[in-house]
Amino acid sequence: DAGVIQSPRHEVTEMGQEVTLRCKPISGHDYLFWYRQTMMRGLELLIYFNNNVPIDDSGMPEDRFSAKMPNASFSTLKIQPSEPRDSAVYFCASSRTGELFFGEGSRLTVL
Amino acid sequence: AQRVTQPEKLLSVFKGAPVELKCNYSYSGSPELFWYVQYSRQRLQLLLRHISRESIKGFTADLNKGETSFHLKKPFAQEEDSAMYYCALSGRGSSYKLIFGSGTRLLVRP
Repeated sequence: DAGVIQSPRHEVTEMGQEVTLRCKPISGHDYLFWYRQTMMRGLELLIYFNNNVPIDDSGMPEDRFSAKMPNASFSTLKIQPSEPRDSAVYFCASSRTGELFFGEGSRLTVL
Repeated sequence: AQRVTQPEKLLSVFKGAPVELKCNYSYSGSPELFWYVQYSRQRLQLLLRHISRESIKGFTADLNKGETSFHLKKPFAQEEDSAMYYCALSGRGSSYKLIFGSGTRLLVRP
């Protein structure tokens, strides 16, 4: 298994543009998490899903952020419109037993 | 409210010296505590969890409910231990939702 796969690895965009980050969890894992990592705030949980259903989105910063999980093998995190303060590394992780397996992250830079 | 506090952003020690990475938590209930590690150019990965009571790569961590702490210790640091370390908490029996501390960068000098 290749582990959790995220794309793109790097994204540079201009303020106001839409950004879509993608995640493929490990097969058989029924939990999926989206985290954001910044120097100031560390790792923040944005949202997580169980069996494709969003369970807790209280960490989503504002309405500009949305996440979907249309099936067990795919999830997206969308930012529209993007702002410079959204610049961060976004991690996806999946789990079946409580241990989280992380992707390599998507580094987003909003100019 | 659930909170994990790692008071040190950076900890620098010499090779062979003992290491203690501090972690304090607040949680109303029975928490499950973890340490995750991110080596340079690698994914964030689980180092150890308190319920397994294992020693991984020479590291140990004991849950102290009285002090609400879960400090990570190693008696003799190695250069390859240099990494970013995150303490994390979830509610036992809950949904695996992990709350992370802000992380401590460990630098082991030769």
